[in-house]
Amino acid sequence: QQKVQQSPESLTVSEGAMASLNCTFSDGTSDNFRWYRQHSGKGLEVLVSIFSDGEKEEGRFTAHLNRASLHVSLHIREPQPSDSAVYLCAMSPNTGNYKYVFGAGTRLKVIA
Amino acid sequence: NAGVIQTPRHKVTGKGQEATLWCEPISGHSAVFWYRQTIVQGLEFLTYFRNQAPIDDSGMPKERFSAQMPNQSHSTLKIQSTQPQDSAVYLCASSLGSYAEQFFGPGTRLTVL
Repeated sequence: QQKVQQSPESLTVSEGAMASLNCTFSDGTSDNFRWYRQHSGKGLEVLVSIFSDGEKEEGRFTAHLNRASLHVSLHIREPQPSDSAVYLCAMSPNTGNYKYVFGAGTRLKVIA
Repeated sequence: NAGVIQTPRHKVTGKGQEATLWCEPISGHSAVFWYRQTIVQGLEFLTYFRNQAPIDDSGMPKERFSAQMPNQSHSTLKIQSTQPQDSAVYLCASSLGSYAEQFFGPGTRLTVL
């Protein structure tokens, strides 16, 4: 079964500095990756979905996927205190699989 | 569009009591998913309905847990004889189709004393 590891577990950055979060997975057959954000006590908000190697940008959020190195990352440009939340990466093991496998999350804190 | 609605937001039960959690999917979405989130296990898939029919309950504990979708506007997750280890946030998600983007509700935080 696909396994997902997220790093770091927690991250503190200053407002305006780039925040980088990482996710590694156990095999390269997945082709469906998402990054979600979860504010305390709230549901999951999808930030970026990426389906092929390379880069995908959605506003201040950019995902990079490299399936050969089993790695997907999320970069947050000019983070703000309101971006403080838990960030989860998720993937479905293969096309047509609705069962997302989630990482444990990275807790991001943005300080003013 | 109100998004996925889950009620109650918080529920506290005593050990051995029953808990029923409700989910109202986004109107027009044919797929409904239930997940459980704990600190230790993270987010885990529980069960999935498509057009109200149960398709996959492979993540559901075999005992005490059941899910239903009696109509297209709501689904329920019922836990009988709740135990402290059932304490978690239960998230419901809906999507236009089985493999489309899943939109999550705010979750129900269940605490079993």
